[in-house]
Amino acid sequence: QQQVKQSPQSLIVQKGGISIINCAYENTAFDYFPWYQQFPGKGPALLIAIRPDVSEKKEGRFTISFNKSAKQFSLHIMDSQPGDSATYFCAASKNSGYALNFGKGTSLLVTP
Amino acid sequence: ETGVTQSPTHLIKTRGQQVTLRCSSQSGHNTVSWYQQALGQGPQFIFQYYREEENGRGNFPPRFSGLQFPNYSSELNVNALELDDSALYLCASSSDRVYGYTFGSGTRLTVV
Repeated sequence: QQQVKQSPQSLIVQKGGISIINCAYENTAFDYFPWYQQFPGKGPALLIAIRPDVSEKKEGRFTISFNKSAKQFSLHIMDSQPGDSATYFCAASKNSGYALNFGKGTSLLVTP
Repeated sequence: ETGVTQSPTHLIKTRGQQVTLRCSSQSGHNTVSWYQQALGQGPQFIFQYYREEENGRGNFPPRFSGLQFPNYSSELNVNALELDDSALYLCASSSDRVYGYTFGSGTRLTVV
């Protein structure tokens, strides 16, 4: 069964807007929550990741918000650009360097 | 530029055949994982190797097997191919006790 649930399935945002993608998990043993960006014909590329001891992490225009009690985390892309158009996957894993459990992905389209 | 190289990039096989996919990881990355990504889905964990030993396996049958070699290369073997095995197969590597996987661009396998 899907251990990480991701929404929405697709998202259209205007250039300069904020893109928000949400994920939820059940397994409280998960201790690592990365976000991956995937372009067509390419493998996923690590965008940003967070551990449950912090509630927010920001890298440039990308921010992860983490709510441990709700078992939810989200990706915010500020000032979205057409070059951000890609599929985004959230994931979760337990223990260092172990299997990643991916969400089903969100297809983001940023319009000019 | 990803440090993980996969070959071949595309492959067409007939149902019932066997296939070997190859991956060359970054130097020093002694953990390698393989994932299956069906069209429009998130990657699904197949198995992981750490220092040439399998140390984790997802919900895949035994006809999916692998090897990891001392030179940071690895391979995924699939026997008795089925139509549902058609997917993008991704290799990902990481260094010891460090979060964050680097994915290759994958091998697109089509079973006819």
